[in-house]
Amino acid sequence: ELKVEQNPLFLSMQEGKNYTIYCNYSTTSDRLYWYRQDPGKSLESLFVLLSNGAVKQEGRLMASLDTKARLSTLHITAAVHDLSATYFCAVDSSGSARQLTFGSGTQLTVLP
Amino acid sequence: DTGVSQNPRHKITKRGQNVTFRCDPISEHNRLYWYRQTLGQGPEFLTYFQNEAQLEKSRLLSDRFSAERPKGSFSTLEIQRTEQGDSAMYLCATAAGGNSGNTIYFGEGSWLTVV
Repeated sequence: ELKVEQNPLFLSMQEGKNYTIYCNYSTTSDRLYWYRQDPGKSLESLFVLLSNGAVKQEGRLMASLDTKARLSTLHITAAVHDLSATYFCAVDSSGSARQLTFGSGTQLTVLP
Repeated sequence: DTGVSQNPRHKITKRGQNVTFRCDPISEHNRLYWYRQTLGQGPEFLTYFQNEAQLEKSRLLSDRFSAERPKGSFSTLEIQRTEQGDSAMYLCATAAGGNSGNTIYFGEGSWLTVV
């Protein structure tokens, strides 16, 4: 059974600082998704990573995928308050995007 | 707003009643998913449709849950004889087919409270 672990689960950081969220998974997969969720809201797609070594950047967020290490990272650069949210990684456990397995999420709070 | 529409947005029901949720996908998205999310947890997979065919179903899914997607357009998720443990947000997501690496878009969710 595929297990997806994120760490940290909770993260408080000050504006302007950098930090990385880690997503480890237990079985082979070369497709990984990152989502953002605001309280009481649905999930917003951030990145889709489709191969080993894939790197994608949007604004202050950059995601990467290392399929050999079964690890994805979401790096936050110079955090701002608007980035406060819960971030989820999700791994394609079917090989054809029929089923995603989500991590427990990382609740990020950016403090002024 | 991603374009994935879910109704109703909120439902309060008494234990033992049946409830049905509807999902209208983004136009021409032939892949459709249902997930369930409880507070503080990541979404949990329930079922997957490609067009009208239900191709994946969670082993954890009780037989009180049934989903349909007639004609490959909108989908419904029915929960029979609801229990308090069914209280959660039910999320529908859709994606365009052909390339399984396409973005999967989530709807706003349907909140269920079983009292």
